[in-house]
Amino acid sequence: QQQVKQSPQSLIVQKGGISIINCAYENTAFDYFPWYQQFPGKGPALLIAIRPDVSEKKEGRFTISFNKSAKQFSLHIMDSQPGDSATYFCAARLRGANDMRFGAGTRLTVKP
Amino acid sequence: GAVVSQHPSRVICKSGTSVKIECRSLDFQATTMFWYRQFPKQSLMLMATSNEGSKATYEQGVEKDKFLINHASLTLSTLTVTSAHPEDSSFYICSARGGYEQYFGPGTRLTVT
Repeated sequence: QQQVKQSPQSLIVQKGGISIINCAYENTAFDYFPWYQQFPGKGPALLIAIRPDVSEKKEGRFTISFNKSAKQFSLHIMDSQPGDSATYFCAARLRGANDMRFGAGTRLTVKP
Repeated sequence: GAVVSQHPSRVICKSGTSVKIECRSLDFQATTMFWYRQFPKQSLMLMATSNEGSKATYEQGVEKDKFLINHASLTLSTLTVTSAHPEDSSFYICSARGGYEQYFGPGTRLTVT
């Protein structure tokens, strides 16, 4: 049962543009929402994470926007670079639990 | 960020043999460790969750006798694929939780011939 829905499946952006990836969830008991970046043949790397008590978190060119009422959160990559080309996964973890529920992933390609 | 190492990064074994994969949290103590399997162009599939000194909790459909998990210490977990078959060929990734964050290892590519 997919508890976190991620879109789009793939995304092509020009260098310097803004990449936006969206995720939606249904279970209001989720209380931790990370984003992971994965390059081919490598493990996922934690990029940025947010908790539902804030609506936005920014780290460098990466920003998470969180809409608690809509049960949606998104990743924005500003000034996208070819080196950002990777697969991005959103995830959500239940309060007090251990396991993470992952989105299906978005393959981002940034064209030079 | 915290570092999780995994060894080996690649392994090729013959059908019927067993393979052990090690996962270590290098600069933090992991309360919980996880093992995932990932098929090409797909998301991560949780196989099992383990706490130090306890038996692992396996996800539905994962054979516990085939995928043996040992969480010997707060920094080490091992996954042993027993009697490997070609269908076990996959990318196996461990993960460790330190506080709120969860960090992943670099993965192990297992090929069973």
